[in-house]
Amino acid sequence: GENVEQHPSTLSVQEGDSAVIKCTYSDSASNYFPWYKQELGKRPQLIIDIRSNVGEKKDQRIAVTLNKTAKHFSLHITETQPEDSAVYFCAASRPPAAGNKLTFGGGTRVLVKP
Amino acid sequence: DAGVIQSPRHEVTEMGQEVTLRCKPISGHDYLFWYRQTMMRGLELLIYFNNNVPIDDSGMPEDRFSAKMPNASFSTLKIQPSEPRDSAVYFCASSLFGVGGRYQPQHFGDGTRLSIL
Repeated sequence: GENVEQHPSTLSVQEGDSAVIKCTYSDSASNYFPWYKQELGKRPQLIIDIRSNVGEKKDQRIAVTLNKTAKHFSLHITETQPEDSAVYFCAASRPPAAGNKLTFGGGTRVLVKP
Repeated sequence: DAGVIQSPRHEVTEMGQEVTLRCKPISGHDYLFWYRQTMMRGLELLIYFNNNVPIDDSGMPEDRFSAKMPNASFSTLKIQPSEPRDSAVYFCASSLFGVGGRYQPQHFGDGTRLSIL
């Protein structure tokens, strides 16, 4: 089955700096890669996703890049703010073969220091 | 839309008791997922359903855990008997597969924080 590795497990950045989280996946058939943000005591919420037919997607201060050949994808947060402090999870899936089942990475705890 | 609704939000019970967690998916969604989250093991998929049918229960830890989806708007996760190591946050999520292979992301409920004493 699919295996998703996520690094780093913790990341501390100064407010205004950029943060980058990287994930690798094992199943070359995976074609959908969402990112979830989970604030303390809250539910995971989708912040951005990318499909295998594109290499990059942006939404304001966040962007995701995908390298299908190397089987890795990354989340980039620019101009970080204290409210970006949270745990971020990457995931991979390969609909329709596996329905909507997601395999999650282990998570990255991001701390933005004011 | 009200989103995925879980109940109860918190449950504290003694070891050996039966625990039932409930989930109402987003109306129209055809996939439902149960996850368990702990500090040690992260976010684990326990079981998921498609059109009320269990598809993959390989993540269910042992026979003490069972899940049902009697209709499109309701699912339960039951633990009997409960043990302290079952203490965790349990999330339910739902998604829509869509027509023509298009898919929509999983939306999570607020979770049930379960403590087994």
